[in-house]
Amino acid sequence: DTGVSQNPRHKITKRGQNVTFRCDPISEHNRLYWYRQTLGQGPEFLTYFQNEAQLEKSRLLSDRFSAERPKGSFSTLEIQRTEQGDSAMYLCASSFQTGGPYNEQFFGPGTRLTVL
Amino acid sequence: AQSVSQHNHHVILSEAASLELGCNYSYGGTVNLFWYVQYPGQHLQLLLKYFSGDPLVKGIKGFEAEFIKSKFSFNLRKPSVQWSDTAEYFCAVNANAGNMLTFGGGTRLMVKP
Repeated sequence: DTGVSQNPRHKITKRGQNVTFRCDPISEHNRLYWYRQTLGQGPEFLTYFQNEAQLEKSRLLSDRFSAERPKGSFSTLEIQRTEQGDSAMYLCASSFQTGGPYNEQFFGPGTRLTVL
Repeated sequence: AQSVSQHNHHVILSEAASLELGCNYSYGGTVNLFWYVQYPGQHLQLLLKYFSGDPLVKGIKGFEAEFIKSKFSFNLRKPSVQWSDTAEYFCAVNANAGNMLTFGGGTRLMVKP
């Protein structure tokens, strides 16, 4: 499968624990996005990378959240000291973007986080 | 900040009925507009997109959408739905260099056979 992959698919954790999710984008895609989707809502933008540089972060991304893309390939999203309000589906998307028109974002299956 | 509104949260139709899902956005500048679909248990997939040109755009599986700039709308239509169209539909807008998407809240469509 050459699409966007995310691991794990499901994560259950206790409040206060740290969790880390991984996203593997489509190879050669230079942009990688993280979104969060809560029940009954559309995805909300969290942050994005162009290669290894994190270029924008939403105000939704509190200090407990950190994302990296160390070699411009896969990315990790870490949530420290999880809270019940962090329970959501975390989606990753990737695209190949040059200076030209918008190119389609391809979404992964998501990681569903449940904080007890 | 841009925002996207989808007026119908749940729609139930019988097969062969016509479909129109509303989408309005708030942003005064140039926008790119999208409809994504999420079939049960599957990833978000792009259904269709509008960048410029003909405001009536055609997508996959017989869907189309019309961009009406004066109304800030991008409604999705299909003349005759099928049971396999049962899914959640999301309208999205991109209006910045980062190309991040702003999504509406989604419309859950159920088509009865």
